[in-house]
Amino acid sequence: GAVVSQHPSWVICKSGTSVKIECRSLDFQATTMFWYRQFPKQSLMLMATSNEGSKATYEQGVEKDKFLINHASLTLSTLTVTSAHPEDSSFYICSARDQGRGGNEQFFGPGTRLTVL
Amino acid sequence: AQSVTQPDIHITVSEGASLELRCNYSYGATPYLFWYVQSPGQGLQLLLKYFSGDTLVQGIKGFEAEFKRSQSSFNLRKPSVHWSDAAEYFCAVGPGGNEKLTFGTGTRLTIIP
Repeated sequence: GAVVSQHPSWVICKSGTSVKIECRSLDFQATTMFWYRQFPKQSLMLMATSNEGSKATYEQGVEKDKFLINHASLTLSTLTVTSAHPEDSSFYICSARDQGRGGNEQFFGPGTRLTVL
Repeated sequence: AQSVTQPDIHITVSEGASLELRCNYSYGATPYLFWYVQSPGQGLQLLLKYFSGDTLVQGIKGFEAEFKRSQSSFNLRKPSVHWSDAAEYFCAVGPGGNEKLTFGTGTRLTIIP
């Protein structure tokens, strides 16, 4: 149990286009999901906290208009990178909190590799 | 503010040898501590976690970690490493497992035959 999926696993896009990344909790409900960004050979940096049915909470320095987060259901959160540029190329990882297990653990998705040309 | 330090960027050990990965944290209250492993191009897998109770925590794949409050440390250990243990290891701290986590910079583990 407690499986989180991400789609796509990798994506290549042209500069200026928008890319949507999905994060799904497959076998549990997640009122809260987290979006992280990881540059090559670096650690994970939290971008935002996504709450079902409400606006996401962004970390300092993260542009909310560039990284649009929607958490419309208890099993799905999406991250849209708008007007992507090469510097947005990164590994994006989501995690979800399992309410049914007391919410004391986050389960991570496999990540999405974004390359902007 | 909470922070995590992993002093070792890269460690190389021989297969079958013992392993210890260091993690020091800074946190104003009782921390929730985690160790995750990441294989190349993959997401994170939880190895073990500490919330309270016994300070020696057992995890998956034969790993264990010891919480030492006096040293603000949560070092990861394994008595005998396998080639499949080669990966990136991250220590993380948070106010709760369901809250946002702060990750260390990671330690890359290389296993030599």
